[in-house]
Amino acid sequence: DAGVIQSPRHEVTEMGQEVTLRCKPISGHNSLFWYRQTMMRGLELLIYFNNNVPIDDSGMPEDRFSAKMPNASFSTLKIQPSEPRDSAVYFCASSGGLGELFFGEGSRLTVL
Amino acid sequence: ELKVEQNPLFLSMQEGKNYTIYCNYSTTSDRLYWYRQDPGKSLESLFVLLSNGAVKQEGRLMASLDTKARLSTLHITAAVHDLSATYFCVSGGGADGLTFGKGTHLIIQP
Repeated sequence: DAGVIQSPRHEVTEMGQEVTLRCKPISGHNSLFWYRQTMMRGLELLIYFNNNVPIDDSGMPEDRFSAKMPNASFSTLKIQPSEPRDSAVYFCASSGGLGELFFGEGSRLTVL
Repeated sequence: ELKVEQNPLFLSMQEGKNYTIYCNYSTTSDRLYWYRQDPGKSLESLFVLLSNGAVKQEGRLMASLDTKARLSTLHITAAVHDLSATYFCVSGGGADGLTFGKGTHLIIQP
């Protein structure tokens, strides 16, 4: 299995631009998580889906952030408009029956 | 509030020494996970502990779970430089979701 696949790996954009991060979970996993990691705030859960349905989005910072999971093999995290404080590494993770998380390599976002 | 507290948060030790990282949790779940993160890298699953008394070992690392004390430990035996990383303890699963500890930054010096 290829593991959790995220794209892009790196993105540099200017404030106000729209950013879309993508994630392909491991086939057969029914839960998908989006995390954000910064030096200041550590690892934060943004949202998680179970069977493509958003279960907990209380970690989504504000309305500028949105996430979708249109099917079992694809999810997006969108930031519109982006701000410099959104600069972080965004991780996608999926899990199956044991609850063990398998993380993607992350998308490093820099907003200038 | 669901909590997972790791101790210590920072640890510098010499190669060849033994040490233990402690993880206290207050979540209702008795599932416990340990992850490793190298600088600039993603998180890698190390251990999955699902029941009281569970003990798992991989190389110089051994993890255990005491659900009555709500405590998990990660023991490092005869540390080597390659084990330098940040180690996260994670508890939960199910309706309560997963709760991460803040991570233990481990530096092993030659």
